[in-house]
Amino acid sequence: NAGVTQTPKFRILKIGQSMTLQCTQDMNHNYMYWYRQDPGMGLKLIYYSVGAGITDKGEVPNGYNVSRSTTEDFPLRLELAAPSQTSVYFCASSYGSGGGYGYTFGSGTRLTVV
Amino acid sequence: ILNVEQSPQSLHVQEGDSTNFTCSFPSSNFYALHWYRWETAKSPEALFVMTLNGDEKKKGRISATLNTKEGYSYLYIKGSQPEDSATYLCALYSGGGADGLTFGKGTHLIIQP
Repeated sequence: NAGVTQTPKFRILKIGQSMTLQCTQDMNHNYMYWYRQDPGMGLKLIYYSVGAGITDKGEVPNGYNVSRSTTEDFPLRLELAAPSQTSVYFCASSYGSGGGYGYTFGSGTRLTVV
Repeated sequence: ILNVEQSPQSLHVQEGDSTNFTCSFPSSNFYALHWYRWETAKSPEALFVMTLNGDEKKKGRISATLNTKEGYSYLYIKGSQPEDSATYLCALYSGGGADGLTFGKGTHLIIQP
């Protein structure tokens, strides 16, 4: 049982480059989330999805895009990378909304923009 | 933007001692409170999801209580062991706006042998 799988684990990008962070889950969870973790800060919600074909912005969506074509996959796209996007990114999934169900997190992607 | 506060920021505890730490949140925005345990080089792992005032949950030596009227939750660890060393996160679900959790900055717990 793989849970939530994120790739890559580490990446260095140059300013202005683009990349996609991959996230896939095998638990048939409808709810999926992308968070970023900056030093000394709590996890911040970037985007979330409540099911295939439905996505919405979180607290810090600028500079990112997402899609949800299948229940399993929820990729996060960075266009025109900036140093402010240097962070650790976590994907998470949940059986239902955060009202009653805990999250299962991926192992994270450490991204550095130089 | 909701404010979820955790204290203390870090804590050193002797092996075998019991400890507790606090999560504070705006009581007017409460729908559910989550606790996660985050070990170094791993991903956060769900401990508890709490929804009712007065709720108390237990998992082995770890327990949590919830007071939604005054806006706080306590996490207790009884008889701390080295494997309890981790960052403990609490997160609030407010039920409105974005469907996601608002996380505190965490309490970093170090158990000293």
